[in-house]
This record gives sequence, C-alpha cells and structure tokens, in this order.
Amino acid sequence: DSGVTQTPKHLITATGQRVTLRCSPRSGDLSVYWYQQSLDQGLQFLIHYYNGEERAKGNILERFSAQQFPDLHSELNLSSLELGDSALYFCASSAGGGQYSNQPQHFGDGTRLSIL
Amino acid sequence: AQKITQTQPGMFVQEKEAVTLDCTYDTSDPSYGLFWYKQPSSGEMIFLIYQGSYDQQNATEGRYSLNFQKARKSANLVISASQLGDSAMYFCAMREADRGSTLGRLYFGRGTQLTVWP
Repeated sequence: DSGVTQTPKHLITATGQRVTLRCSPRSGDLSVYWYQQSLDQGLQFLIHYYNGEERAKGNILERFSAQQFPDLHSELNLSSLELGDSALYFCASSAGGGQYSNQPQHFGDGTRLSIL
Repeated sequence: AQKITQTQPGMFVQEKEAVTLDCTYDTSDPSYGLFWYKQPSSGEMIFLIYQGSYDQQNATEGRYSLNFQKARKSANLVISASQLGDSAMYFCAMREADRGSTLGRLYFGRGTQLTVWP
C-alpha cells in the first residue's frame, strides 16, 4: 500500500460528459502529481501541485483542470470528454516540491476512465 | 529526443534466474534521479529503486539492483532470483533536478513486460 488514495477506481461515462477524479496524498506529502497512462502515449505527466499551488504543467489539455485543496487532497476535472480520453489516470505524491531529484513519487492505484 | 528509452518490449526469464532490464536516458542536467517502477497486471505502480546522478555506488534494494553507467547514460535494473510474482511491466523513469516549468515531473520509458516462467 503506497498510502496514496485515489477514487473512484473505475469510471464509465459518455462522450461530452464531465468527471472528477480525487486523490489523497500520503500523510505528510505536500506534492501531488497527475499522470495519464494510455496504450498509445504511455505515461504522460499532466500537472504538479505543491502545497496548494500549481508548480508545473505538462501536456494537459485545456479541457482538463486540477486543484489542490487546503487539506492537500487534489482533484482532476475532465470535461467535454472524448473517446481518446479513455485511460488510466494516476495520482502520485512526494514529500517535497520537486526540486530534489532523489525523492520518489508514490503512486495511487489509479482511476480507470472509460468513455463510451 | 526521448528522455528515457527502454528497448526491450518483452523479456522472459526462468524462475530463480537473474534478469537485466535495459534503460538509457538523455539529459543535459548534471543532477538527476533515476527510478524504476513495477506495474503488475492489476495496474498499480510500485516504486522499486532509486539512483542519483552523484551516487558513487550502484543502488540495491533486496533482489533489485541498478547497474548505473553514467558515461553511457544507462541505468539497467537487475532482478536476481526471479520469482513468478515478478511478472509485470517495468518502467524506468527520470527526474531532472531543476527544469523550471517541468520541475519535479517524471519522464517514463515505454516499459518492459517481464514474464517469469516456472
């Protein structure tokens, strides 16, 4: 058990809909990262939050947004969903703000999103 | 250019044997970290081992060791005494210490599917 909790584990919805994925980091971790894993793109970094503030952005679509709340949990919002958004979405957490390269990121079990 | 390259889509090893999974990386940052993760068929990502760019010795964690060759920019994972439960996808990843807008992110390779047979 990594200590990172992601809900829901599975999500099935239709094109054009909006969903929210939730992540609770490990106790004491201030950083939350979101990644998308798909067969064609592999594991892609989406966005990083540290102690409530956005720190880095990857190839995140404009239809996607995220935030980190004062209790440090994070939500990833996906809107106007398309078939190509079907993927496994991971949240990971680490203790620091990302500036120390030796800190591992610990991953949740992921949310499997299926768009019908 | 790819930051992380894993050239072996699939590897097979017999139980109790050792296996090496290859990883090469590309960075101009003098300070970076290399990580290996395991993803079983159930989907979770499990952190296995870390190697820092300034570490003088190869990292080891139980049956996992990292063969770090800095000049060649390679960080191969060695699994000794393979077990059936080692069957999984293995990902090599890198974090650069200071890259401004991409600070802290991990770059992943495409993974190697390891199958351990009895």
